[in-house]
Amino acid sequence: SQTIHQWPATLVQPVGSPLSLECTVEGTSNPNLYWYRQAAGRGLQLLFYSVGIGQISSEVPQNLSASRPQDRQFILSSKKLLLSDSGFYLCAWSSQRSSTDTQYFGPGTRLTVL
Amino acid sequence: GNSVTQMEGPVTLSEEAFLTINCTYTATGYPSLFWYVQYPGEGLQLLLKATKADDKGSNKGFEATYRKETTSFHLEKGSVQVSDSAVYFCALRNTDKLIFGTGTRLQVFP
Repeated sequence: SQTIHQWPATLVQPVGSPLSLECTVEGTSNPNLYWYRQAAGRGLQLLFYSVGIGQISSEVPQNLSASRPQDRQFILSSKKLLLSDSGFYLCAWSSQRSSTDTQYFGPGTRLTVL
Repeated sequence: GNSVTQMEGPVTLSEEAFLTINCTYTATGYPSLFWYVQYPGEGLQLLLKATKADDKGSNKGFEATYRKETTSFHLEKGSVQVSDSAVYFCALRNTDKLIFGTGTRLQVFP
């Protein structure tokens, strides 16, 4: 069966510090991978998605970046965090077989920027 | 473009009450429709889905019917429990991306 992992689970960082969040998927190959952010009391915003190694699409301009160094690894980064980067970050995967396939979400990382 | 509109919450109900959370969508083509649930402090879990018109998705007593004529996918449950308290997200997918609604918080009291 497939599983998706995210770490860390929680993170408190000062403004201006760097960020690296990691997401890995097990039990599947060549998945689509996604990063979402959920700000407090708000819906989900798609940040990045990837259909393959080294292929990243950015949905919104911001000071975040994403990378996919391996087939089942997706990393969200920032060189300098802003207060507005606080939120709940969710990674998700889906198969590439069909547009009807479900997206499966990881447990999330709660980031607080102080 | 593609979009999903959900009723604003919170929805506050007593245990065993009937639940409806409205969801309408705008999309090109023939999207798949989903309901996800987020329990406090957790990620999203798929609750149910429907992939074509008139399909009914169901799970854990929740149901939603894909209505193409009204572009709707309303979530219903006949008798809610305190454990159903969560945020519910309606979503559509007709490309590689999911488009989410803003979420509706459900609070069920004993």
